[in-house]
Amino acid sequence: AQSVTQPDIHITVSEGASLELRCNYSYGATPYLFWYVQSPGQGLQLLLKYFSGDTLVQGIKGFEAEFKRSQSSFNLRKPSVHWSDAAEYFCAVGPANNAGNMLTFGGGTRLMVKP
Amino acid sequence: SQTIHQWPATLVQPVGSPLSLECTVEGTSNPNLYWYRQAAGRGLQLLFYSVGIGQISSEVPQNLSASRPQDRQFILSSKKLLLSDSGFYLCAWNLDGNTIYFGEGSWLTVV
Repeated sequence: AQSVTQPDIHITVSEGASLELRCNYSYGATPYLFWYVQSPGQGLQLLLKYFSGDTLVQGIKGFEAEFKRSQSSFNLRKPSVHWSDAAEYFCAVGPANNAGNMLTFGGGTRLMVKP
Repeated sequence: SQTIHQWPATLVQPVGSPLSLECTVEGTSNPNLYWYRQAAGRGLQLLFYSVGIGQISSEVPQNLSASRPQDRQFILSSKKLLLSDSGFYLCAWNLDGNTIYFGEGSWLTVV
């Protein structure tokens, strides 16, 4: 069965510092990988996705993620965090046909940003 | 471009009362539609999905039901709410082989 683990439930970083949110997955075939962000009381917004090709993918708001097949990881990074990045971040994995009913989400990482 | 809307945004309902949350998608045809629930401090749980009008699949046994009366309309219902139904409900859509996009969410508090 597929699974997604986000080991860090909460992370606090200072504004301007770099950020890395971890995501590890278990999947039996080539996965499609996603990062979503959720501001308080809002829906989920897609940050970026990996389907194939270059393992370093760029997303919106200055985020990037790197797919490492050997480590079954898809970590999200940002070189300099802004206060507006405070939110909850979800990693998700799905099959190559992207059947939505087979998309598995991690438990989320809540990011807090110190001024 | 495609948009998704769900309402109401916030709802406070007494135990035992009925529920109806509605979701519509604009700018596309024959989307796959989904209802997720996000309980406080927890991740997303898929409740229902639909690949077409009248076609509903339930992922977990529960006090809720879903219906798809029109191609771009997805409704989440309950005849009698339980306290445990409280949470944040998210409607989502995609086309086959493509990314899932989410609505703004609906906060349900059962009191």
